[in-house]
Amino acid sequence: DAGVIQSPRHEVTEMGQEVTLRCKPISGHDYLFWYRQTMMRGLELLIYFNNNVPIDDSGMPEDRFSAKMPNASFSTLKIQPSEPRDSAVYFCASSFHGNSSPLHFGNGTRLTVT
Amino acid sequence: DAKTTQPPSMDCAEGRAANLPCNHSTISGNEYVYWYRQIHSQGPQYIIHGLKNNETNEMASLIITEDRKSSTLILPHATLRDTAVYYCILSTGNQFYFGTGTSLTVIP
Repeated sequence: DAGVIQSPRHEVTEMGQEVTLRCKPISGHDYLFWYRQTMMRGLELLIYFNNNVPIDDSGMPEDRFSAKMPNASFSTLKIQPSEPRDSAVYFCASSFHGNSSPLHFGNGTRLTVT
Repeated sequence: DAKTTQPPSMDCAEGRAANLPCNHSTISGNEYVYWYRQIHSQGPQYIIHGLKNNETNEMASLIITEDRKSSTLILPHATLRDTAVYYCILSTGNQFYFGTGTSLTVIP
């Protein structure tokens, strides 16, 4: 199994531009999570999906952030327009059936907004 | 929000056991205790989890007190590659909130 795959690994963009982060969960996993990590705030849960349906998006910072999961093997996190304070490492994770199953994380996307 | 308390940092001599404590006095009956670690800027790595009983796998042992209000992660023979931030998390399996963790440094 290739694990959770995220792309790109690094993204540098200018303020105001649209940014799209991508995630391929582990095959067969039915939960998908998006996290953001910064030095100041640590690891924050942004949103999670179950069977492609968003269940809790209370961690999404503001309307500039949106996440979709069009099918079981793909999810995107979009920021439009991006701001310098969005600079962080964004992690995607997946799990099977949720209950007591551990999360498996990708290697993250390091986003820098200048 | 994170419901666990961990010391911010710990040192351990290489080859010795590393014992990482975690307090979770408000744990609910259906919440599991999970341990993850994060090496540098990699994605967090799952280590072990348990509900009531002590657990052991190839990486570590998890000791949970009888009242479930605290637990200890034990790395039996710490190596330099175990230097990382270790997170103790409570979850029913649907949401995982990470606190600030314990930064473990294994010293040669």
